Amino acid sequence: QQQVKQSPQSLIVQKGGISIINCAYENTAFDYFPWYQQFPGKGPALLIAIRPDVSEKKEGRFTISFNKSAKQFSLHIMDSQPGDSATYFCAASKRGGYQKVTFGTGTKLQVIP
Amino acid sequence: ETGVTQSPTHLIKTRGQQVTLRCSSQSGHNTVSWYQQALGQGPQFIFQYYREEENGRGNFPPRFSGLQFPNYSSELNVNALELDDSALYLCASSPGLGGDEQFFGPGTRLTVL
Repeated sequence: QQQVKQSPQSLIVQKGGISIINCAYENTAFDYFPWYQQFPGKGPALLIAIRPDVSEKKEGRFTISFNKSAKQFSLHIMDSQPGDSATYFCAASKRGGYQKVTFGTGTKLQVIP
Repeated sequence: ETGVTQSPTHLIKTRGQQVTLRCSSQSGHNTVSWYQQALGQGPQFIFQYYREEENGRGNFPPRFSGLQFPNYSSELNVNALELDDSALYLCASSPGLGGDEQFFGPGTRLTVL
């Protein structure tokens, strides 16, 4: 069962533009929503994460917007740079018990000069 | 501080064979999770080990098994390999069950012919 849906599958943005990736989840027990960045040949690296008690979190050029009632969250990359070109995964997990992280299907971002 | 390491980097096996993948967790981390990432997909949770015991399992058959050692390093064993087992296998460690962030290794690329 796909519990985290991610879109778009791929995204091309010009340098300096805003990249936006959207995710939706089904399980209301999720209480931790991380975004991972993955470069070819590498494992995913945590980029930024949010809990459902806040609606927005910003770290540098990266912002997560969270809508608990709609069960949706999104990643905004401001002033996108060619070095941001990678695959981005949204994910969700819940505290307690074991820490299974459920990943979205990924968005391949290409930032062109 | 040493991050999560995995070995080998690449592996080629034939259908029906058995394989063992290895993971060394980040210093101070006692929890290890394994994920399977098929090409173009998000990682799928296989299982988690906490203090040498399996602490949770995803939708994978029993031919996927694991171990965690007293130094918290871990092994993933897959018996009777099938073509669909071809994937990137990721290990992630975390500092106990109470935290959220998981730190991923670079993965082992398994090809089954």
